[in-house]
Amino acid sequence: AQKVTQAQTEISVVEKEDVTLDCVYETRDTTYYLFWYKQPPSGELVFLIRRNSFDEQNEISGRYSWNFQKSTSSFNFTITASQVVDSAVYFCALTGNQFYFGTGTSLTVIP
Amino acid sequence: DAMVIQNPRYQVTQFGKPVTLSCSQTLNHNVMYWYQQKSSQAPKLLFHYYDKDFNNEADTPDNFQSRRPNTSFCFLDIRSPGLGDAAMYLCATSRPYSGTVPNQPQHFGDGTRLSIL
Repeated sequence: AQKVTQAQTEISVVEKEDVTLDCVYETRDTTYYLFWYKQPPSGELVFLIRRNSFDEQNEISGRYSWNFQKSTSSFNFTITASQVVDSAVYFCALTGNQFYFGTGTSLTVIP
Repeated sequence: DAMVIQNPRYQVTQFGKPVTLSCSQTLNHNVMYWYQQKSSQAPKLLFHYYDKDFNNEADTPDNFQSRRPNTSFCFLDIRSPGLGDAAMYLCATSRPYSGTVPNQPQHFGDGTRLSIL
């Protein structure tokens, strides 16, 4: 069975705080891909990052960073010094034998 | 700018009355997808086209059909909408993928919000 769990349904932080969004996945595939997407209130999903199962190197892009750990089946997303514009629903997704979105984490950044 | 365009942004139809949602893209991507997203839920993949090859998800109801007349356009037809079909419908595109399952980053449109009276 394939599954993506985003246990945090809603998170609120004060602007400039750091925040980590958790993503835990299950798959029996040896080759798979993990994604993060952002869905702001306007509704359009925006691609943030893709990682394949053979690349556990962490990545940093500006205030965004991703921590991929196969040992714990996790692909967590950290926003440093959060801003109001970061307020959105964030989805983690997995591709193995099928494409599957997690249930999403709604992040609110309070000014 | 290259993009994915969905029309209309809001669509209202009557219970049981067929409705068509449209999607166009200027990215020249081979793959186009249709998702259904209900309120506060994750997007659910309905089907996708890899060029002209249609790939239906196993649990997509027969009430949902799709057409892709050319690379740029894709349509979602709901033959007899029920109240449970009220949702946001998202179109996305991507470059070709290897293997049998989409694994390329997807570019999404703004969505069409469908209401059923």
